[in-house]
Amino acid sequence: EPEVTQTPSHQVTQMGQEVILRCVPISNHLYFYWYRQILGQKVEFLVSFYNNEISEKSEIFDDQFSVERPDGSNFTLKIRSTKLEDSAMYFCASSEARGPGANVLTFGAGSRLTVL
Amino acid sequence: SQELEQSPQSLIVQEGKNLTINCTSSKTLYGLYWYKQKYGEGLIFLMMLQKGGEEKSHEKITAKLDEKKQQSSLHITASQPSHAGIYLCGAPLGGGKLIFGQGTELSVKP
Repeated sequence: EPEVTQTPSHQVTQMGQEVILRCVPISNHLYFYWYRQILGQKVEFLVSFYNNEISEKSEIFDDQFSVERPDGSNFTLKIRSTKLEDSAMYFCASSEARGPGANVLTFGAGSRLTVL
Repeated sequence: SQELEQSPQSLIVQEGKNLTINCTSSKTLYGLYWYKQKYGEGLIFLMMLQKGGEEKSHEKITAKLDEKKQQSSLHITASQPSHAGIYLCGAPLGGGKLIFGQGTELSVKP
């Protein structure tokens, strides 16, 4: 069963530091997403990415956040200067471009970010 | 903005018992996804419903979307410890953007 792989599984960082979370989406998927879940809260959408550009982003996804697909396989989320409130589980997801799976997001296991 | 409300928030059942989890939307649903969340495994896709009145089953799990497309239910028959986890309903808002309910935590006692 193809899967979305995320690294690291857990990262602890100091406030103000830059963090990069990495994801390897399913190989034939063309749409990529980041979601996050703050402890005890709902899973919430951050950003969607297609054809090497952001398709849509939420209000949470401010100038401190960026995404890129540097090498055709990895999909990264960068937080430039982390804040305490960035502590959360970050989920990467991907989906097919068309067909019956086009609307089904496959999620990774998540990267837990702890900002001290 | 659209909101999804799940009930109950948590559930403890004896192994072998049936259970139902509900998901109610503040607006008409144009699709409804059910995911299961287990620690260390992310969100695992269970089922997608798109039409009013639609019902899908996979193994012992059945999901339905009501005719008015504002509520969905997830029913587990003869629950097993492997069914334990957090069940999330999600509604598509277009472009791969999903909004989720707060989740229902299921524990199954052997």
